[in-house]
Amino acid sequence: KNEVEQSPQNLTAQEGEFITINCSYSVGISALHWLQQHPGGGIVSLFMLSSGKKKHGRLIATINIQEKHSSLHITASHPRDSAVYICAVRSYGGSQGNLIFGKGTKLSVKP
Amino acid sequence: ETGVTQSPTHLIKTRGQQVTLRCSSQSGHNTVSWYQQALGQGPQFIFQYYREEENGRGNFPPRFSGLQFPNYSSELNVNALELDDSALYLCASSFLAGAYNEQFFGPGTRLTVL
Repeated sequence: KNEVEQSPQNLTAQEGEFITINCSYSVGISALHWLQQHPGGGIVSLFMLSSGKKKHGRLIATINIQEKHSSLHITASHPRDSAVYICAVRSYGGSQGNLIFGKGTKLSVKP
Repeated sequence: ETGVTQSPTHLIKTRGQQVTLRCSSQSGHNTVSWYQQALGQGPQFIFQYYREEENGRGNFPPRFSGLQFPNYSSELNVNALELDDSALYLCASSFLAGAYNEQFFGPGTRLTVL
């Protein structure tokens, strides 16, 4: 079993829909990252959080440390949101770069 | 402010050859991490360099080695290439001043081993 599990693996939505991507992890962590990867490979960091909730534009990330679970929400989805969304965690005692990644959720938003 | 850059963008090698991939950190960053991402998988941590010293390593064999230079740019070297080394190689830079600093990723180098 992977230490970081994401669901769903693939998600297709219509433009305007509210989207939720889930991430569960099995290790103690010091931080959790949500990343966006477009075709061609480049990765953009969306959020880094260790508790509570963060919001940036139409994106919201929440984390529940007790339940070892995080969610990424996209409100009013748009075709330009189509990408792979990756959850990654830094375990306790791990170096800053030693992130454990999920396999990603491939999101496709149709116009 | 310049972002993280990587070169080359694509590379094709044959089994047994050696390869060097390069990464330039974002301005002001002193830490570089390297990751390998196989097709359809999440990235896997290879190692991290901080002030020219290795500062953590993932589960990769010694034929994966690295360097960091005084200007904080970095190289990833892979010797005796194997077919399974075909992947996207990502580097990320950050400023190591506490546990919670964000990493900034480069666009990646896609390596194909034939």
